[in-house]
Amino acid sequence: GAVVSQHPSWVICKSGTSVKIECRSLDFQATTMFWYRQFPKQSLMLMATSNEGSKATYEQGVEKDKFLINHASLTLSTLTVTSAHPEDSSFYICSATRQGARGYTFGSGTRLTVV
Amino acid sequence: GESVGLHLPTLSVQEGDNSIINCAYSNSASDYFIWYKQESGKGPQFIIDIRSNMDKRQGQRVTVLLNKTVKHLSLQIAATQPGDSAVYFCADLTGGGNKLTFGTGTQLKVEL
Repeated sequence: GAVVSQHPSWVICKSGTSVKIECRSLDFQATTMFWYRQFPKQSLMLMATSNEGSKATYEQGVEKDKFLINHASLTLSTLTVTSAHPEDSSFYICSATRQGARGYTFGSGTRLTVV
Repeated sequence: GESVGLHLPTLSVQEGDNSIINCAYSNSASDYFIWYKQESGKGPQFIIDIRSNMDKRQGQRVTVLLNKTVKHLSLQIAATQPGDSAVYFCADLTGGGNKLTFGTGTQLKVEL
């Protein structure tokens, strides 16, 4: 149980375009989803916390207008990187948790390359 | 802000030996700790967790030790195997909060 699916696993896009990444909890309802960014050989850095039906809470230094997060249902959260630039190239990972639980399940990550 | 840190960026061990990966945390309010394994190009995989009211917890081939006095935890892997090669992260959670704070990670390399 507690499977999180992330799609796509990798994407290459042109500079200036937007890319959407999906995060789905397959067998549980995720009250909260988290989005992380990870640069090579570095740790995971939390970008934002997403609660179903409400606006996401962004960490300091993360541009909310650039990284649009939507959590429209208890099983789906999306991260849209708008007007992507090469410096946005990174590994994006989501995780999900359910109410009353302290466990976190992570997706398999999305490798974004902006050319 | 406060963070969780690791002592060693890279650890090389011989196959069959035991591995010990260390982690220091600075937030005295942290009350839940998790070790994750991350293979190249994949998301973190849960290994084992421990609450602050415990000082030791064992799983299959893994043991986590928590020393709250010095704010230190460790992950011990018995009989390390090639498949254990990965980056290991500790993460902590502060009571009442739901945001995990990750350490910098330790690259474990298992030599044949």
